[in-house]
Amino acid sequence: AQSVTQLDSHVSVSEGTPVLLRCNYSSSYSPSLFWYVQHPNKGLQLLLKYTSAATLVKGINGFEAEFKKSETSFHLTKPSAHMSDAAEYFCVVGGDSSYKLIFGSGTRLLVRP
Amino acid sequence: NAGVTQTPKFQVLKTGQSMTLQCAQDMNHEYMSWYRQDPGMGLRLIHYSVGAGITDQGEVPNGYNVSRSTTEDFPLRLLSAAPSQTSVYFCASSPTTGKWETQYFGPGTRLLVL
Repeated sequence: AQSVTQLDSHVSVSEGTPVLLRCNYSSSYSPSLFWYVQHPNKGLQLLLKYTSAATLVKGINGFEAEFKKSETSFHLTKPSAHMSDAAEYFCVVGGDSSYKLIFGSGTRLLVRP
Repeated sequence: NAGVTQTPKFQVLKTGQSMTLQCAQDMNHEYMSWYRQDPGMGLRLIHYSVGAGITDQGEVPNGYNVSRSTTEDFPLRLLSAAPSQTSVYFCASSPTTGKWETQYFGPGTRLLVL
């Protein structure tokens, strides 16, 4: 069975400093992995997805994530945080069918001025 | 192109009442799904549909019914609301069947059951 663990429930950074949101996954086969972002009182929006092509995946708004099979990790990074990045971020793994997604519990990113 | 729309945005129910959460999409997506979001638990799949006339259960289906009579609409019915169903509900859709398609989410319905 597939599962995903987000290692931090809250992350706080200063504006202009790097962002690191950590995600580990478990999958019995080559996984598909996603990061979604949810701004306050909004629906979820896809940031990026990994589907067994390049291991470094670039997404929207300057975010990227690296798939590391040996570490079963898919951490999300951004070189320089912006105030507008404050949101909740979900790491997601494809489930046992093409349709089902398994969500992590989320990481709330706070960006300090 | 409105994407995925959900109504109502907010609803308060008393225990035992019934209601239907509406979801519609105008992207001609065959796959649609309902999730609930609870604090610290991410999103959990309630029901999903791979096309008109076809539905199936997700991770937490108890207390909810769905039907899919058209490609555009996928309503979620609570037959007898319980306080445990207090949550934020999201509808999502995606193009059919390519593996791991991007899902598009609606803005959510916040439900409070007293």
